[in-house]
Amino acid sequence: LAKTTQPISMDSYEGQEVNITCSHNNIATNDYITWYQQFPSQGPRFIIQGYKTKVTNEVASLFIPADRKSSTLSLPRVSLSDTAVYYCLVGDPDSGGGADGLTFGKGTHLIIQP
Amino acid sequence: DGGITQSPKYLFRKEGQNVTLSCEQNLNHDAMYWYRQDPGQGLRLIYYSQIVNDFQKGDIAEGYSVSREKKESFPLTVTSAQKNPTAFYLCASSIGRGNYEQYFGPGTRLTVT
Repeated sequence: LAKTTQPISMDSYEGQEVNITCSHNNIATNDYITWYQQFPSQGPRFIIQGYKTKVTNEVASLFIPADRKSSTLSLPRVSLSDTAVYYCLVGDPDSGGGADGLTFGKGTHLIIQP
Repeated sequence: DGGITQSPKYLFRKEGQNVTLSCEQNLNHDAMYWYRQDPGQGLRLIYYSQIVNDFQKGDIAEGYSVSREKKESFPLTVTSAQKNPTAFYLCASSIGRGNYEQYFGPGTRLTVT
């Protein structure tokens, strides 16, 4: 089971691009990388998922280098409402019935200031 | 509207009582999950179910029980054997097993005194 390491917290300012990096040195061949966002007293919300190179949607981009031992969530032009905890998960969607990819660590607490 | 619901939002119980938390989804998802979150911590997996009438223990199943008699419903019972039950409980569902996109409910905050 691949473990992940993220910074505990990050600060930035409105209008800036924010990059949050997740390390997963033991990522397996079939593992995907998934990011969630959580606001206080709410359930997490799916942001993006990827396997390699770059994935982009209307909310964020996910950059994954060739060795896949890390990944970077990029949030363009953040606003105050992006203040939240961001979780990186790694696991295999077709893990044969196990709980692979269901480990939420402590995440990264992103604080956006005016 | 499709989604996942949990009730109640807040729940108070006396120590020694069992309590059941409700989780319902109308997304036609096969997999459902229960997590526990303590203040300032990440989510920890209690139980998960990939199909009806089948479920598996997660990382912290002791003191909890579940059932999956219907695809739409995955209730969690917090028993008196759970030593520290006060927490925020989150239910989620996904299309299938493993690392698929999970949809979370609004959570139930349980306080046991």
